[in-house]
Amino acid sequence: GAVVSQHPSWVICKSGTSVKIECRSLDFQATTMFWYRQFPKQSLMLMATSNEGSKATYEQGVEKDKFLINHASLTLSTLTVTSAHPEDSSFYICSARMFRDRHTGELFFGEGSRLTVL
Amino acid sequence: AQRVTQPEKLLSVFKGAPVELKCNYSYSGSPELFWYVQYSRQRLQLLLRHISRESIKGFTADLNKGETSFHLKKPFAQEEDSAMYYCALSLSGNTGKLIFGQGTTLQVKP
Repeated sequence: GAVVSQHPSWVICKSGTSVKIECRSLDFQATTMFWYRQFPKQSLMLMATSNEGSKATYEQGVEKDKFLINHASLTLSTLTVTSAHPEDSSFYICSARMFRDRHTGELFFGEGSRLTVL
Repeated sequence: AQRVTQPEKLLSVFKGAPVELKCNYSYSGSPELFWYVQYSRQRLQLLLRHISRESIKGFTADLNKGETSFHLKKPFAQEEDSAMYYCALSLSGNTGKLIFGQGTTLQVKP
């Protein structure tokens, strides 16, 4: 089956530093990837839609300068949390859809990346 | 605005009992609904979608446009069904982004 991999799975950083999280589709091409944020015992909140070769589309209330998204290839999207602060601590999850199912269809999820900002 | 509502945070049943996880949606377009499941320490995975109208692991869900619902049902719960269940709405358009409900934890007791 289709696999989406995230790295790192856990990261701890100091306040004010930037952290990059990678999301890779291992065995399929994904023109679109989605980044979600999940607070403890809460649902997944869509942050942005990452489009290969173009700018990401951010959901209302999500700061694009804070959460930089780059989707440079059909198999890789990165989320950079810039100047991280403790309130950015969260579980970040990416997901991807196969190119052939790009308008609808099953989303494949990464294992998530837990960010802790001290 | 589009929204997915799962009214129950926790649903606890005994093994062999019927299960119904409720999901209601609000969307002006043509809805495409999914149920995703997250077992302990595993990633989210698709359980079923309304388009396919199939039964997966004994679970079924019927889209009721009149009631704007997509409840998940299983006649006889098993302990291995214990997990977090998310109802999700795919928005039509060229991105097909997925909006999730709050999730329901299903606990099946022996």
